[in-house]
Order: sequence, then structure tokens, then C-alpha cells
Amino acid sequence: QVQLVESGGGAVQPGGSLRLSCTASGFTFHNNAMHWVRQAPGKGLEWMAFIRYDGTNELYADSVKGRFTISRDNSKNTLYLQMNSLRDEDTAVYYCAKDIQYEEEVHYFDYWGQGTLVTVSS
Amino acid sequence: DIQMTQSPSSVSASVGDRVTITCRASQGISNWLAWYQQKPGKAPKLLISAASSLQSGVPSRFSGSGSGTEFTLTISSLQPEDFATYYCQQAYSFPLFGGGSKVEIK
Repeated sequence: QVQLVESGGGAVQPGGSLRLSCTASGFTFHNNAMHWVRQAPGKGLEWMAFIRYDGTNELYADSVKGRFTISRDNSKNTLYLQMNSLRDEDTAVYYCAKDIQYEEEVHYFDYWGQGTLVTVSS
Repeated sequence: DIQMTQSPSSVSASVGDRVTITCRASQGISNWLAWYQQKPGKAPKLLISAASSLQSGVPSRFSGSGSGTEFTLTISSLQPEDFATYYCQQAYSFPLFGGGSKVEIK
């Protein structure tokens, strides 16, 4: 069965950096686009970033553009999110999510990880 | 930028009730819309894609309709396991979620 397992969350001071990982199994990772979605405590869902199945295209929400970088290593079935210049408002549970479509992306998310909490605070 | 507005933000209902949640897009998005269910402490679950296409394994009491700017999620007969928060999400441009609609027990 499809499994997505995030790791790398934790507490960091404002201005700091963190790298999240998402290890995938149960499907052919290199065939699907992947996304990061976050949820601040008690708030709604916010899409963060997308990467094409082959890593050749990325998209970012305006709120993280220039600070966050999505990447993937298809040989390791792993998705990453490098987060720099972190702010208080980046505090959230971060989910990785699989795009539903084979190869071409349609931006529907059919499988999600359990999430990893990032806390930005001094 | 496209804005997504969900209503109501919360609804109290009883088991067996019919519940309808509405999602409005600030501009036309054809049928590029999904619905998700999220329970406390859990990841969201995809219920419906392409406005009305029910995901495998999702009970048939869930249905979606609409096109353009107005969409609805209907639960025909609310079950105890349906109490949750529901989100719409447009996939026409950059993915964007609505604010959520919490279905609570009356």
C-alpha cells in the first residue's frame, strides 16, 4: 500500500533553516508529481510547493517563494523541502502529498503522509 | 489570483441528516475542484476529484456537483464517522484550498 513518511520537523529559531524529508513506498515514486502542504495550528490547509515527476519543474506559493526549495531523489524514493529564513508564521504541520495523476500533474492529492511539525520560535 | 470561499464555516447536524457544503471560486475553474475530509490529528483524505468523481472506497452517500464558479459537496445521510472538517481545493491554477467547513454533532 502507498505510504508517505515525513521526517525532519522540530523546533527552530526565526531565521533558521530546516530540511524535511518524505520517504515514499508502495507506488512507483518517479511516476508521480509530489507536493508539500502545510497546516498551521488550528487553521486550514495551505499548499506550499510542487515538483514534477522527473524534477524538471517546480512551483511555489508566494508565501514561501525564494525561501523554500522542493527537490526529489527518485533513486531514493524521497522528497525534500529545504526551508530557509524561517519565520514565526511558518509554524505548522507539514504534509507531503502525492499527485493523483501518472506522470502529468493535475494537482489533486490522493495520498498524504502523517505530517511533521515545524515550530519556529525564539 | 483565484479565491475559494466555502460556506458554511461550520454546521451542526444529526446522524441521518442531509448536509450540503458550498464552495465558490472567484473566477471560473471549469470542473477543476476536489473535496477532502480531515479528522482531528489526521491527514486529509481525498473524497472527490474533478468536481464530481468519487474516489475509490469513498461511500456513495458523498457526492459532488458544480462547474465554473459554484460547487457543492453533499452528504446524503450523515453517519457518525462523517463528523469532520471538509475542504474544497481548486486545481485550475496554483492549488488553493477553501477555508474549511466543520461538520459537528447537533
